[in-house]
Order: sequence, then structure tokens, then C-alpha cells
Amino acid sequence: NAGVIQTPRHKVTGKGQEATLWCEPISGHSAVFWYRQTIVQGLEFLTYFRNQAPIDDSGMPKERFSAQMPNQSHSTLKIQSTQPQDSAVYLCASSLARVGNTLYFGEGSRLIVV
Amino acid sequence: QQQVRQSPQSLTVWEGETAILNCSYEDSTFDYFPWYRLFPGESPALLIAIRPVSNKKEDGRFTIFFNKREKKLSLHITDSQPGDSATYFCAADNYAQGLTFGLGTRVSVFP
Repeated sequence: NAGVIQTPRHKVTGKGQEATLWCEPISGHSAVFWYRQTIVQGLEFLTYFRNQAPIDDSGMPKERFSAQMPNQSHSTLKIQSTQPQDSAVYLCASSLARVGNTLYFGEGSRLIVV
Repeated sequence: QQQVRQSPQSLTVWEGETAILNCSYEDSTFDYFPWYRLFPGESPALLIAIRPVSNKKEDGRFTIFFNKREKKLSLHITDSQPGDSATYFCAADNYAQGLTFGLGTRVSVFP
């Protein structure tokens, strides 16, 4: 079991450019979460898929952020027109879709917007 | 509005002391409360968890105390060690929302 795989591990992008982050959840896990980690905000919820369907995207900045899960083996987080304040570690996590199941995090994608 | 609140934001204790981390929540439908630990440079990982049917959960030096009526819980780290230095996240879970995390408490243990 390879765990949750996130790519790229590091990405530097210029202000105004687009950034796409990929996540491969653990096989068999039907719940996939995206979080943003910063020193100021801690672990900030972005969005949540269950069985590939978007369940809750209340944490997503509406205008420039989007997330998809086209199949059960990967999810993407896309940030358009990146801004310096988007700089953070973006964490993907997966679990079995039942309350009480452990959330397994990937190693994160560190995005730096210059 | 933060649904899961943690305090203090940071905490410093000496080796051997007990560190107490507090957490409170708003939504009474939350029915599972895990604590995740984050070491610098690593990903968060599950440390210990409790369900509301219990008011205490112990695992080695880590103990959760839970007060359902007041919607509060706390994590006690007894005999703190320098290796316990990390950020600790309280989380609350229900089927509808999935896991909601607090902002974390950064614990520093000095020898």
C-alpha cells in the first residue's frame, strides 16, 4: 500500500499563472479530502468527495479554485490566476467513507507563488 | 466561523510535565473526535480518538477527556518528552461533513 500520493511535491509559479495539483488516494478509499496548511490558518478544509461526488466545497475560494475527481484513483485541485496568498502546503487525504475511519494524508504539495 | 476551536495556540512545557490541550466544538451532530499530530516536515497522522459514548480514552501517555454536555474535550500528554514537540490538531467528524479540524496547538517540550 503506497499511501496517498501527491504530485508535485513542490511547485513554484508566477503570480497570475495556473497551478494544478494531483492526488492519488489509497486504493479502496472512497472519501477524498483537500486541505490547505499554513502557519496562520492551520489545517484549512477546502473540499471533500465521497465516491467521486463532490459533497462539500464550502472551504474553496469560489472564484479561482476548483477540484475534480474524474475517477476513483485520482483527484485534482486547480488554482487559476495564482496569488501570493495561495502559497501553502496543499494536503490530500483519503479514508473509508465511514465516520470514525482514519484519515490518511499525503505528503503534500508545497505551492509557492512569486 | 470556526466549528472546532483549540486553545492555547501554542504551549511550552518542560520535560516530565503534563501538557493540556483544549478543544471545543459547535455542532452536536459531531460523533467522533480524533486528534492528529503533525511533526515538522511530515503529514498529519492520527494520534488518538474518542466517541461521545465515552468520557475518557487513554493510550499510553496520551489521554482524551470528553465532556459532551459542554461540547469540550482536552488532550493530556503526561510525562512530556522533547519528541512530543509537534502541532496537535483536534478534529470532529460526522458523516455529512467529514472531518473538521481546529487550527492546532503547537507544543514545545524543553529538556
